[in-house]
Amino acid sequence: NAGVTQTPKFRILKIGQSMTLQCTQDMNHNYMYWYRQDPGMGLKLIYYSVGAGITDKGEVPNGYNVSRSTTEDFPLRLELAAPSQTSVYFCASSLNGPPNTFGSGTRLTVV
Amino acid sequence: DQQVKQNSPSLSVQEGRISILNCDYTNSMFDYFLWYKKYPAEGPTFLISISSIKDKNEDGRFTVFLNKSAKHLSLHIVPSQPGDSAVYFCAASKEYGNKLVFGAGTILRVKS
Repeated sequence: NAGVTQTPKFRILKIGQSMTLQCTQDMNHNYMYWYRQDPGMGLKLIYYSVGAGITDKGEVPNGYNVSRSTTEDFPLRLELAAPSQTSVYFCASSLNGPPNTFGSGTRLTVV
Repeated sequence: DQQVKQNSPSLSVQEGRISILNCDYTNSMFDYFLWYKKYPAEGPTFLISISSIKDKNEDGRFTVFLNKSAKHLSLHIVPSQPGDSAVYFCAASKEYGNKLVFGAGTILRVKS
């Protein structure tokens, strides 16, 4: 039982590049989330999904896009990376309601 | 505008003693509260939650207390163990909601 799997674990991007952070879960959870955590701060919600085909913005969605074509996968797309997107990104899931299972994170640096 | 505040960046406790982590919130619409624990280089782990219809919820060594009039909640860990050393985040939402607002976290160190 893998839980929530995020790839890659680390990535360095140049300003203006784009990338996709992958997230997959094998628990048949309906709800999936993307958070970012900046140093010394709490987690901030980027996007979330309550089921396949349904996504909604969180607190800090600018510069990101998501899709949810299957129950298992919830990729986060960064277009035109900026230094302000340097952060640790966490994907999370739950059957319903607030997240109860998190991935181990992707540490992204934009230079 | 920090709606959820954890005013103590760190806390150090002796093994076997009680650890008390505090959290304040400003939004009176919040009525569901959670605590998460996070070890370095790992994702957060859900610990315990409480809804506003209760003032206490207990799970083993962990108890969360909610004081709605003071907009304050606390997490008690008794007895504290070295493995409890981690960052603890409180979070709040409206109803059993999706849009959690997190505090900045408190680093707990349990000394053996």
